[in-house]
Amino acid sequence: AQKVTQAQTEISVVEKEDVTLDCVYETRDTTYYLFWYKQPPSGELVFLIRRNSFDEQNEISGRYSWNFQKSTSSFNFTITASQVVDSAVYFCALIPNQGGSEKLVFGKGTKLTVNP
Amino acid sequence: ETGVTQSPTHLIKTRGQQVTLRCSSQSGHNTVSWYQQALGQGPQFIFQYYREEENGRGNFPPRFSGLQFPNYSSELNVNALELDDSALYLCASSLGPGGPYEQYFGPGTRLTVT
Repeated sequence: AQKVTQAQTEISVVEKEDVTLDCVYETRDTTYYLFWYKQPPSGELVFLIRRNSFDEQNEISGRYSWNFQKSTSSFNFTITASQVVDSAVYFCALIPNQGGSEKLVFGKGTKLTVNP
Repeated sequence: ETGVTQSPTHLIKTRGQQVTLRCSSQSGHNTVSWYQQALGQGPQFIFQYYREEENGRGNFPPRFSGLQFPNYSSELNVNALELDDSALYLCASSLGPGGPYEQYFGPGTRLTVT
């Protein structure tokens, strides 16, 4: 079975703090794909990153960075020097390599509130 | 480049009625996926269409059905609405299958069933 767990339901930080959002996934497939999406209050899911299971290199994009560790089945997301505009619900998702449809399996999300 | 659009934005229906939601895919994308997002939950996959054919389905009853048109736009139809169908319905388009490629989402349709 495929499953994504985001144990942190809500996180509240003060602007300029660093914050890490945790994501743990389960899949029996050897090839799979991991994603992070941001959902601001407007409701539209915004794509942030895709990572395949063969690429364990960490990635940095501006204030965002991602840490992928196959050994612990984790794909954590860190925002450095958080800003109020980062306030949103963040979803981690998985596409298992089962062939056929490429359905995203989402976690329940982590609501991040950045206070001024 | 035009993004994914959905209509209507909001909809209120009565239990037992039928509803049709519409989605226009991003320019150049041939695959459309539909998701249901209940309040406080992550989106749940309903089904995906690739070149007018259903290409996978989630754990939703047959009263959830869909179509994809030659221009790759899509419709989601729900018959015999139930109170639990109240949710945000999200459409996503992608270049897939074969990637998998990033799925780009529309703003959603908020459906309320009373």
